[in-house]
Amino acid sequence: GQNIDQPTEMTATEGAIVQINCTYQTSGFNGLFWYQQHAGEAPTFLSYNVLDGLEEKGRFSSFLSRSKGYSYLLLKELQMKDSASYLCAVRGLNSGGYQKVTFGTGTKLQVIP
Amino acid sequence: NAGVTQTPKFRVLKTGQSMTLLCAQDMNHEYMYWYRQDPGMGLRLIHYSVGEGTTAKGEVPDGYNVSRLKKQNFLLGLESAAPSQTSVYFCASSKLHLNDHRYNSPLHFGNGTRLTVT
Repeated sequence: GQNIDQPTEMTATEGAIVQINCTYQTSGFNGLFWYQQHAGEAPTFLSYNVLDGLEEKGRFSSFLSRSKGYSYLLLKELQMKDSASYLCAVRGLNSGGYQKVTFGTGTKLQVIP
Repeated sequence: NAGVTQTPKFRVLKTGQSMTLLCAQDMNHEYMYWYRQDPGMGLRLIHYSVGEGTTAKGEVPDGYNVSRLKKQNFLLGLESAAPSQTSVYFCASSKLHLNDHRYNSPLHFGNGTRLTVT
């Protein structure tokens, strides 16, 4: 099976940097995603890691260590609109060989002035 | 390009009633998924499909049935609704690249269906 852990809530100040961690256990690892979800809306894709290392995309970066089952999402120059839930999701293979994506419970980030 | 479209957006059912949620995608994606999202539980996979005519159970399949008669559509059915099925339901789709996993696409989500069962 798959198990994903991430903090429930975080608070950070506008203009600052925040790191949201995610640890996972899975069989047949085939990629890790980060999604952003504003209240009452659908999740939207932020980043994807399948190999170890850092992926940078503007103010957002995501890191993966497959050997440690660990990832983090780094948000720089925080803006008020970044207040949202951030979902870590892992894609793995089930017993039938099909890909399955499992989500963590999400980290609710509050950006304060 | 509409992406993933879910209907209806809102629905209130009485216990024991049935309904079908419709999901349609126009991206020619092979994989389609139904998730439910509840406070403190995150997104949980109900059923998914790896292609037309195929379906598989996810984490919480009980009380739901699905069908994928056409590649672009994935239907979620509740035969006898229960209050425990009050939730927000999201449909998603993704493209599969068999030969190079680096190009496997992320999930594209619909806007969700808010279902209340009284």
